[in-house]
Amino acid sequence: NAGVTQTPKFQVLKTGQSMTLQCAQDMNHNSMYWYRQDPGMGLRLIYYSASEGTTDKGEVPNGYNVSRLNKREFSLRLESAAPSQTSVYFCASSDLSPLHFGNGTRLTVT
Amino acid sequence: QQPVQSPQAVILREGEDAVINCSSSKALYSVHWYRQKHGEAPIFLMILLKGGEQKGHDKISASFNEKKQQSSLYLTASQLSYSGTYFCGTEIRSSNTGKLIFGQGTTLQVKP
Repeated sequence: NAGVTQTPKFQVLKTGQSMTLQCAQDMNHNSMYWYRQDPGMGLRLIYYSASEGTTDKGEVPNGYNVSRLNKREFSLRLESAAPSQTSVYFCASSDLSPLHFGNGTRLTVT
Repeated sequence: QQPVQSPQAVILREGEDAVINCSSSKALYSVHWYRQKHGEAPIFLMILLKGGEQKGHDKISASFNEKKQQSSLYLTASQLSYSGTYFCGTEIRSSNTGKLIFGQGTTLQVKP
């Protein structure tokens, strides 16, 4: 039972490049989330999906897009990466509560 | 709007107690507490629902004062394993999304 799986674990991008962060959960949870974590800022919600087929903006959605591909998968896309998007990205899932987090993707944009 | 946690950092000796506070400017439906070790994912500790209840988990407990829109996490007789960063996550209204807004975190270091 893997829980929440994120890929890749690490990524380095140049400014302007695009990429997609993948997240999959095997707990049959309805809700999925993307957070970013920066020093001193805690975890900030980027986007979330309450159920398959729905997505909503969180606190810091600018520069990101998401796709809830099916109940298991929720991807986060950076269309044109900027240095300000250097961060650790966590995906999480839940069925109301608690949140189950993946191990994170460390993204550096140069 | 992010809840505010205090203090930002705490250093303890083993066996000492600590309190971490979480305060919101909005009415809260629930408060969650998570702990994160360096380089790892946050792990769920407990949830407190609207109603002012207090919960306990081993030597870690928490309270929720919905009137003051505040929650506190109590760590008693701290152990080395308690070291990490603690986050409160707040749910503003009852929903079926489980959407949480987290505070900025409180770093706890327990020394021998």
